[in-house]
Amino acid sequence: EVQLLESGGGLVQPGRSLRLSCAGSGFTFSVYAMSWVRQTPGRGLECVSIISNSGANTYYADSVKGRFTISRDNSKNTVYLQMNNLRIEDTAVYYCAKRAATLDYWGQGTLVSVSS
Amino acid sequence: DIVMTQSPDSVAVSLGERATINCKSSQSVLYSSSNKNYLAWYQQKPGQPPQLLIYWASTRESGVPDRFSGSGSGTDFSLTISSLQAEDVAVYYCQQYYSPPYTFGQGTKLEI
Repeated sequence: EVQLLESGGGLVQPGRSLRLSCAGSGFTFSVYAMSWVRQTPGRGLECVSIISNSGANTYYADSVKGRFTISRDNSKNTVYLQMNNLRIEDTAVYYCAKRAATLDYWGQGTLVSVSS
Repeated sequence: DIVMTQSPDSVAVSLGERATINCKSSQSVLYSSSNKNYLAWYQQKPGQPPQLLIYWASTRESGVPDRFSGSGSGTDFSLTISSLQAEDVAVYYCQQYYSPPYTFGQGTKLEI
């Protein structure tokens, strides 16, 4: 059974940093690209970052480019999202998802709240 | 960016009746060389993450009941539930994966 388990969310002040982790199991992690998608009531679903299976290629939404860094450790079946210089508008539920385009499995999400 | 617009924003349908949700993209998501539409549909139930229902505009994901069907091409697409069941109450999203950023529609809330 495919499982994705996010961790690392929480309450943080504007300008601070947070690192999200997503541990995958039940599939050959190193074969698949992975994505981070966030959801807010106001902006809906937004794909913020994608990483190729090897980690060699990455994509960032313009809204997070230069502030967020995606990485992965295939030996640990884990993908990360390093979020720096957080803004109030980064407040969202962050999901990791398997694959880059058609997201066939999603984690349960982790809430990131940016507030002073 | 490709903008995805769904209609209606919400709809109420009786049990056993047909439900149709529409999705329009701001530019074509049909890749001519493959003749495939880079369009997916997701279902999100309260308190749960989205779940992939359909990809390539009309291919059901494994395990998705056959009452769910997708149609359309180019810029206009539809998701149809042929006979609404109580467990189909959810928000439905379309998504284009033709070009990054892979954008989603704003969602359609389906109620009974």
